[in-house]
Amino acid sequence: DTGVSQNPRHKITKRGQNVTFRCDPISEHNRLYWYRQTLGQGPEFLTYFQNEAQLEKSRLLSDRFSAERPKGSFSTLEIQRTEQGDSAMYLCASSHTGTEDEKLFFGSGTQLSVL
Amino acid sequence: SQKIEQNSEALNIQEGKTATLTCNYTNYSPAYLQWYRQDPGRGPVFLLLIRENEKEKRKERLKVTFDTTLKQSLFHITASQPADSATYLCARPSSGSARQLTFGSGTQLTVLP
Repeated sequence: DTGVSQNPRHKITKRGQNVTFRCDPISEHNRLYWYRQTLGQGPEFLTYFQNEAQLEKSRLLSDRFSAERPKGSFSTLEIQRTEQGDSAMYLCASSHTGTEDEKLFFGSGTQLSVL
Repeated sequence: SQKIEQNSEALNIQEGKTATLTCNYTNYSPAYLQWYRQDPGRGPVFLLLIRENEKEKRKERLKVTFDTTLKQSLFHITASQPADSATYLCARPSSGSARQLTFGSGTQLTVLP
């Protein structure tokens, strides 16, 4: 079990630049989630995929954010024209359809700093 | 709104004692609550899930209760150890979607040797 893998672990960018993060879920998991977490707060839901279909998006996900999961395996989260308020930890999680599908397995996150 | 509130941002206890963390929710009663542990710089790790028809669930030194009348869940760590020091998060599914979890802001537990 290799767990959920996220890359990069850290990203520093200048305001206005575009950034892309990658998430590799646990291989047999068909559900993939993106959350955002700021210091002192719990994770906030951004979006959710079942296989390659993006089924739900939070209103937190402005039009500068886009997520894809083209082949139902890995996923990317892109933020265009980054703003300082985008600085946060971006967490990916996956889960398996079945009796315990509410249980999420999180990656270690990508820490984004927008200067 | 569907709020989750966790007691005190920080809790310090002596090694060997029982830590009790509180999670209060508002509005509708969720089908279940989940508890996660998060260490600095890491993602949350699932610990326990308790369903609305379960009063109590245990796993090793951990115990979770779910009181739908009080709209509250209690999370206990017995015989606490310094290695239990971490932030503990409570989460509930959103009323609009079972796939969206709403997390509390967490309680930072420090177990003093």
